[in-house]
Amino acid sequence: DARVTQTPRDKVTEMGQEVTMRCQPILGHNTVFWYRQTMMQGLELLAYFRNRAPLDDSGMPKDRFSAEMPDATLATLKIQPSEPRDSAVYFCASGQDRGRAFFGQGTRLTVV
Amino acid sequence: SQELEQSPQSLIVQEGKNLTINCTSSKTLYGLYWYKQKYGEGLIFLMMLQKGGEEKSHEKITAKLDEKKQQSSLHITASQPSHAGIYLCGADQGAQKLVFGQGTRLTINP
Repeated sequence: DARVTQTPRDKVTEMGQEVTMRCQPILGHNTVFWYRQTMMQGLELLAYFRNRAPLDDSGMPKDRFSAEMPDATLATLKIQPSEPRDSAVYFCASGQDRGRAFFGQGTRLTVV
Repeated sequence: SQELEQSPQSLIVQEGKNLTINCTSSKTLYGLYWYKQKYGEGLIFLMMLQKGGEEKSHEKITAKLDEKKQQSSLHITASQPSHAGIYLCGADQGAQKLVFGQGTRLTINP
């Protein structure tokens, strides 16, 4: 079965370090989403791309977060420098046109 | 995003009972999606509704989208322990921008 793959599954890092999360969307999907989930805020949309072009990243703290799609098989979310408040589960999802979004298993980030 | 409001935020029901979760938007919805999740794990797709008045069912779960396309309900009949989890409604706000409500945490007591 086709699925969205996220790496790493878990990441523990020290405050101030750079963190890179990777996502391999389902082949043929033209839309990629990045979400952050916490108990307090729920599932927040950070950014999304269509055909590799960023459409909206208004949900992302610009000073430390960046999202890119270097090619159609890879999406990255970087945090530099990381802070304890960035601790959350980060999800990537992909979709095609107005079809449903397929979610990866998430990256659980802990910043100490 | 608080543009999508889910209610209730949490729900505890006795096994075998029926229940309803609501999702309300302040804007017209281009598409409404229901997902289920165990916290911290990936979201499992349940149903997608796009047309006003549309209703879909899968096993014991039924979802409806009202005529004005601003509210949806998810109804579970004869709940079972396997229905426990977090239910999230997601909305396409246009240009495929998919945002979610806060979620409803469902507990089923035996």
